[in-house]
Amino acid sequence: EAGVAQSPRYKIIEKRQSVAFWCNPISGHATLYWYQQILGQGPKLLIQFQNNGVVDDSQLPKDRFSAERLKGVDSTLKIQPAKLEDSAVYLCASSSTAARQPQHFGDGTRLSIL
Amino acid sequence: DQQVKQNSPSLSVQEGRISILNCDYTNSMFDYFLWYKKYPAEGPTFLISISSIKDKNEDGRFTVFLNKSAKHLSLHIVPSQPGDSAVYFCAAFSSNYKLTFGKGTLLTVNP
Repeated sequence: EAGVAQSPRYKIIEKRQSVAFWCNPISGHATLYWYQQILGQGPKLLIQFQNNGVVDDSQLPKDRFSAERLKGVDSTLKIQPAKLEDSAVYLCASSSTAARQPQHFGDGTRLSIL
Repeated sequence: DQQVKQNSPSLSVQEGRISILNCDYTNSMFDYFLWYKKYPAEGPTFLISISSIKDKNEDGRFTVFLNKSAKHLSLHIVPSQPGDSAVYFCAAFSSNYKLTFGKGTLLTVNP
C-alpha cells in the first residue's frame, strides 16, 4: 500500500511569512494527525482528525496555526505568521482508527524560519 | 513536563551484541506502549508494541519488556546489526488515545 505522502519536503521562509503543508494519508485511514518535531525532541501532537472532524487540537497554537481536512481525506496545515520557534519538522501520520493502532508517518516537511 | 523519558540520548554497541534501549514513564494512565525507529530524513516507522496487561512481547530480533510497577519498559535487539542504527522513540497511549513520545535514543551499531 502507498504510504503517507507529504509535500513539500523542505521549506525556507522568513519570519512573519505564511506557509502551508499538505498531507495525503494512507487510503482508507480515517484518523489523521499532525505532529511538530523540534530538533532533539520527540514528535508532539498538534491536531488529530477523525474523518473531517477535529478530535484534539489542545496543543495547536490557534493564534497562528490552522488545519483542515475538508473531505475527510487529505489535509493542510498552515502557519501564519511564522515565528523563529516554528522551525521544526512537521510530520503527518494516519491510522485506520483512533484506537491503539500504530500510526503510520510520512517523511515530514522540514521548515526553516530565517 | 516529560511524561515519557528516554534518559540515554545515545547508545553504541558492537554488531552481533545485544542493544538495550530504556524508557521510563510517569503517567499511570498510559496503557499501551510502542517503539518507533527513525532514519535520518524519514518519518518514524512502527517497530513493536506492548499492552499494559502483558510484560513481554517478541517479534523476531526485537523484544519489548514492560515493568508496570517500576513504570519502565525496554527494547532489546538481539543480535544487533549495522542497519539497526537509527533513532528509537518510545511512545505511550493514554486512555484518550493520545500518543506521547519520548525524546529518542540514537543507536549506533558498529561493524
